[in-house]
Amino acid sequence: QKEVEQNSGPLSVPEGAIASLNCTYSDRGSQSFFWYRQYSGKSPELIMFIYSNGDKEDGRFTAQLNKASQYVSLLIRDSQPSDSATYLCAVNAGANSKLTFGKGITLSVRP
Amino acid sequence: EPEVTQTPSHQVTQMGQEVILRCVPISNHLYFYWYRQILGQKVEFLVSFYNNEISEKSEIFDDQFSVERPDGSNFTLKIRSTKLEDSAMYFCASRGGRGFSEAFFGQGTRLTVV
Repeated sequence: QKEVEQNSGPLSVPEGAIASLNCTYSDRGSQSFFWYRQYSGKSPELIMFIYSNGDKEDGRFTAQLNKASQYVSLLIRDSQPSDSATYLCAVNAGANSKLTFGKGITLSVRP
Repeated sequence: EPEVTQTPSHQVTQMGQEVILRCVPISNHLYFYWYRQILGQKVEFLVSFYNNEISEKSEIFDDQFSVERPDGSNFTLKIRSTKLEDSAMYFCASRGGRGFSEAFFGQGTRLTVV
């Protein structure tokens, strides 16, 4: 069974802090990695994707991938109360194959 | 901005009834998916569809489920005889051309089976 684990959480940080969200995956054949944000009762919204080892930055968000450790993370700098949501890690094994999701980490940013 | 559209947003049905959930994917996308999310649980893959046929399905997608792309724009999920445990949010997603590209999700249909 190919698994995506997001075990830490819920996470609470003060406004302006860095939030660090972690994810591990079991399938070494996974090729692309996605972070989605989901507000309660809403659909997943893509924040970032990453394919290569290393860091990828987009505004206040940085995704980090370490394929040897089967680990992907998302850093949110200067956290805002509007960042409060559940963050879903998802992986897929091929360019057009299904996404396998983790259960998500709920982030709360305190004003 | 192009988006995936799902109807209805909420459907209440009696156990044993058939339901059809509808999706209009982004127009130039080639790959279509249905996922579901039971309240408080993770998003689960149901089925993927490409070139007018199912390309992959999960163990959840049993004989009670079927998908169709009847007219080249709509993409439907049919549940033949609903059970209480089918109550969930159902998300349609579509993905663009070949190679790596992100999946865009519709806003979801909340199905409640009573």
